Amino acid sequence: KAGVTQTPRYLIKTRGQQVTLSCSPISGHRSVSWYQQTPGQGLQFLFEYFSETQRNKGNFPGRFSGRQFSNSRSEMNVSTLELGDSALYLCASSLRTGTSTDTQYFGPGTRLTVL
Amino acid sequence: AQSVTQLGSHVSVSEGALVLLRCNYSSSVPPYLFWYVQYPNQGLQLLLKYTSAATLVKGINGFEAEFKKSETSFHLTKPSAHMSDAAEYFCAVRGYNNNDMRFGAGTRLTVKP
Repeated sequence: KAGVTQTPRYLIKTRGQQVTLSCSPISGHRSVSWYQQTPGQGLQFLFEYFSETQRNKGNFPGRFSGRQFSNSRSEMNVSTLELGDSALYLCASSLRTGTSTDTQYFGPGTRLTVL
Repeated sequence: AQSVTQLGSHVSVSEGALVLLRCNYSSSVPPYLFWYVQYPNQGLQLLLKYTSAATLVKGINGFEAEFKKSETSFHLTKPSAHMSDAAEYFCAVRGYNNNDMRFGAGTRLTVKP
């Protein structure tokens, strides 16, 4: 079974631009979660989507948004990029939502650099 | 709210020595605990998880962790370190009925030849 895939792997943008990152979950997985990883803040939960609905949201400004499609693929968007948005963005998929024992499988991440 | 604290941002061991990475959790209800490993420029890979079925959990690559409620700990161990174990390790906790994983700050493991 193919793992979680994320595209693109690397991205360079300038301040004020917007960016869209894509995540394809493992086949059959319906929950997709997004995390931001930075050296200063570590791994932080952004949001989770299940059945095309946002189920949970972390403590991030409204510039960060996402969506999920009927095939469970997910995208996250960051508008009006700031230097502090430079990070590794990780996507994780799991079978279900609201089931804490389910394993989250992570993709390789998208490295976003904001200049 | 659940949280985890990893003691030691950097641990260095010699090849063949015991690996011990510490994690303490804070939770008002029994938590679900996970250990993940991250190699450079890669995502996170699950090593093992505690879901209350057994207090001693065996994972991949020879790692194991023991859930100790009295100490609120979930330390990760491996009897004999290998060079390929050099990576960053994250402890994480998730509460009931949510997919919101809370991660520790991570511990970077260095293995010396």
